[in-house]
Amino acid sequence: GAGVSQSPSNKVTEKGKDVELRCDPISGHTALYWYRQRLGQGLEFLIYFQGNSAPDKSGLPSDRFSAERTGESVSTLTIQRTQQEDSAVYLCASSHAGDTQYFGPGTRLTVL
Amino acid sequence: EDQVTQSPEALRLQEGESSSLNCSYTVSGLRGLFWYRQDPGKGPEFLFTLYSAGEEKEKERLKATLTKKESFLHITAPKPEDSATYLCAVQGSSNDYKLSFGAGTTVTVRA
Repeated sequence: GAGVSQSPSNKVTEKGKDVELRCDPISGHTALYWYRQRLGQGLEFLIYFQGNSAPDKSGLPSDRFSAERTGESVSTLTIQRTQQEDSAVYLCASSHAGDTQYFGPGTRLTVL
Repeated sequence: EDQVTQSPEALRLQEGESSSLNCSYTVSGLRGLFWYRQDPGKGPEFLFTLYSAGEEKEKERLKATLTKKESFLHITAPKPEDSATYLCAVQGSSNDYKLSFGAGTTVTVRA
């Protein structure tokens, strides 16, 4: 079946602009996660959704970051007023709650 | 806070030369330990989940083992296509299901 998909695959933006990153989870997966992977570093947890509720937002780096999810479907991660330190690969994963997380291909964000 | 340390950072192997990767962890109540493979420019690909000390899982040339403090990923007679970064992650018993990742081990297998 179809895996997790993310769009765009690459995004180049100028400092100060807002960006939206999209994630389509595996059909039927109730849980959805966003992670960030900076160059040469491990994956860093950002936010977790169970359905369309986000019980854990502890990983969001600042109030410039926000995310929403429509039901048990698509999720959008929004970064406002982007900074150069936001440059990274943003990865989305989905799972049945608590089970193995399956990852999408990621969105590579470059902030100039 | 859950912590994961992987070693070595990089490993260069000759084709057929078996080796092991280490993942040391501290977690408050282990729900699961996960191994993923990541190729350049791609998302992590799931390999194994281990739940309790003593558990072992195998897939082709890969075998993962788990103790109370660490996990090993053994690569037997590797081939060039096994070249990738191998990521280890733990899931603790907190109410969310987030994974805490190590920085990974980059394996290069030369023909």
